[in-house]
Amino acid sequence: SQKIEQNSEALNIQEGKTATLTCNYTNYSPAYLQWYRQDPGRGPVFLLLIRENEKEKRKERLKVTFDTTLKQSLFHITASQPADSATYLCALRSSASKIIFGSGTRLSIRP
Amino acid sequence: DAGVIQSPRHEVTEMGQEVTLRCKPISGHNSLFWYRQTMMRGLELLIYFNNNVPIDDSGMPEDRFSAKMPNASFSTLKIQPSEPRDSAVYFCASSSTGTVQNEAFFGQGTRLTVV
Repeated sequence: SQKIEQNSEALNIQEGKTATLTCNYTNYSPAYLQWYRQDPGRGPVFLLLIRENEKEKRKERLKVTFDTTLKQSLFHITASQPADSATYLCALRSSASKIIFGSGTRLSIRP
Repeated sequence: DAGVIQSPRHEVTEMGQEVTLRCKPISGHNSLFWYRQTMMRGLELLIYFNNNVPIDDSGMPEDRFSAKMPNASFSTLKIQPSEPRDSAVYFCASSSTGTVQNEAFFGQGTRLTVV
């Protein structure tokens, strides 16, 4: 069955450091991989998309990589700030529009 | 656009009662998704529609759950009869296959508590 795993349930890092979150998947051939941010009591909000033929995508302090051979995506937040504290979810989207999510990693940035 | 609108925001009901959750997607979006989120199982896809037609309902846990999309601007998720293990936050999301990012836009969710 299709499975998405995010490497850790929680990650705590010092402000200013780079946060790296991992997303692995099995039994799936996604057309896109997306990353979302979720704050407590709210729905997920889209951050970045990377396509199967792209290796890397950047947006401001965010960077996403996508390795279809390893079936893995890495999500980096550079120069992290306490405001970056949230749960981050990876999502796989097939060409048929179905979107499935990982369980998320709760990121805490301490001052 | 006001975004995806879900109602009610909170619902407390007794076991055995029927529960109906409602969703108004973003105008012009052609895909609609229902998800359930719990601490134990994360964000699970229950069912999704393309152009008002149910495409994949393999995530619907059992026959007590049903979803409809009678038109492009409205969808319901019904649980009958409800059970305590149905307690969760239910999210509706919509997206458009015509956009570059193909991202899903989520509503605020309905927090369901079955006692």
